[in-house]
Amino acid sequence: EDQVTQSPEALRLQEGESSSLNCSYTVSGLRGLFWYRQDPGKGPEFLFTLYSAGEEKEKERLKATLTKKESFLHITAPKPEDSATYLCAGQISGTYKYIFGTGTRLKVLA
Amino acid sequence: DGGITQSPKYLFRKEGQNVTLSCEQNLNHDAMYWYRQDPGQGLRLIYYSQIVNDFQKGDIAEGYSVSREKKESFPLTVTSAQKNPTAFYLCASSIWDGQGAKIGYEQYFGPGTRLTVT
Repeated sequence: EDQVTQSPEALRLQEGESSSLNCSYTVSGLRGLFWYRQDPGKGPEFLFTLYSAGEEKEKERLKATLTKKESFLHITAPKPEDSATYLCAGQISGTYKYIFGTGTRLKVLA
Repeated sequence: DGGITQSPKYLFRKEGQNVTLSCEQNLNHDAMYWYRQDPGQGLRLIYYSQIVNDFQKGDIAEGYSVSREKKESFPLTVTSAQKNPTAFYLCASSIWDGQGAKIGYEQYFGPGTRLTVT
């Protein structure tokens, strides 16, 4: 069964304390792995697309990486404004379908 | 400014009433989607459409209906047959190159509509 699992469910960090969020996937032919940020009561905001193992993308304090079974979202020296829920999704090859994980709720304390 | 708009932001209805949620995009995307988001669950697909006048059921289509008369618009009707309609509803759009395409494209989401049915 195609599945995307995110861990941890929730993460509290002190400002400046770097960490990583995990997204493991079992998808029969991955067309793309996507990361989004979602603030409370708002729609998800697109962050990154990864297509193949070994690929990395960076934006400010965030870096996304991809292996054949997992993707990581690394947060370097986070700030309170990085607090949000981070979602990952995989698109199944040959279909319209995107499979979403349940997200990691990140809280960065000042 | 290109993007997706959803209206209204909040919607309150009595049980037994149908309600229609609006979704408009000016990104010139072919594909549009409706998701439902409940606490502790991933986004669940209700309906999707890859072309005007065509749409398909997603994983939880029962009690919902859609139309796609224009490329820019994809309204969702929550009918009285939907047993648990209170939720946060998200509309999204993306480029669509066909199911045989080798790469996928990111989805862009609207701000959401929170529907409360009492």
